[in-house]
Amino acid sequence: GNSVTQMEGPVTLSEEAFLTINCTYTATGYPSLFWYVQYPGEGLQLLLKATKADDKGSNKGFEATYRKETTSFHLEKGSVQVSDSAVYFCAKGQGGKLIFGQGTELSVKP
Amino acid sequence: GAVVSQHPSWVICKSGTSVKIECRSLDFQATTMFWYRQFPKQSLMLMATSNEGSKATYEQGVEKDKFLINHASLTLSTLTVTSAHPEDSSFYICSASVRGGGASEQYFGPGTRLTVT
Repeated sequence: GNSVTQMEGPVTLSEEAFLTINCTYTATGYPSLFWYVQYPGEGLQLLLKATKADDKGSNKGFEATYRKETTSFHLEKGSVQVSDSAVYFCAKGQGGKLIFGQGTELSVKP
Repeated sequence: GAVVSQHPSWVICKSGTSVKIECRSLDFQATTMFWYRQFPKQSLMLMATSNEGSKATYEQGVEKDKFLINHASLTLSTLTVTSAHPEDSSFYICSASVRGGGASEQYFGPGTRLTVT
């Protein structure tokens, strides 16, 4: 297969809660891995990336580690804020293209 | 920097008509632009990849005669949905990549909502 699978949403959390959004991929070779975020009414923005096994991408308190052995790239944040409410997309890059997961909607309540 | 715009942001057209969507890189030159389609609550599906000055490369299952892509300059690509039908209603998103960049260097537009009545 050649796909990216994310945990289903919506995910609803209280402010300051711990966040995990699971992402697994199938691929031949070693793709680059990405997390994109889409805030309401806006385009996709690159949140973080990792290009090889064991790399950790991080940005704005979010982290994800490229796990080759489990073909995973789970997104984590220790303490979410209301402003983190958005749709998060996991993606892999191969051959100059991006293949996206289905997206996970996150809603953070005050 | 690296801003991509799309126009229009939404459009309603009648079945059988054609509609053109523009994608512009505002502050950089984009050698490659990508067109995606997104259904509600679903992922982005890559439709085609266009390189400036050459024909677009379409993904399997995408009708090239229905979705005409033109990438005439380093800052503009257009997607024309010809003879639109209600099943073409969707959210269309473009992205642009910079010269020499890999798959990570894609900057996304805000999307265009197409509704065919």
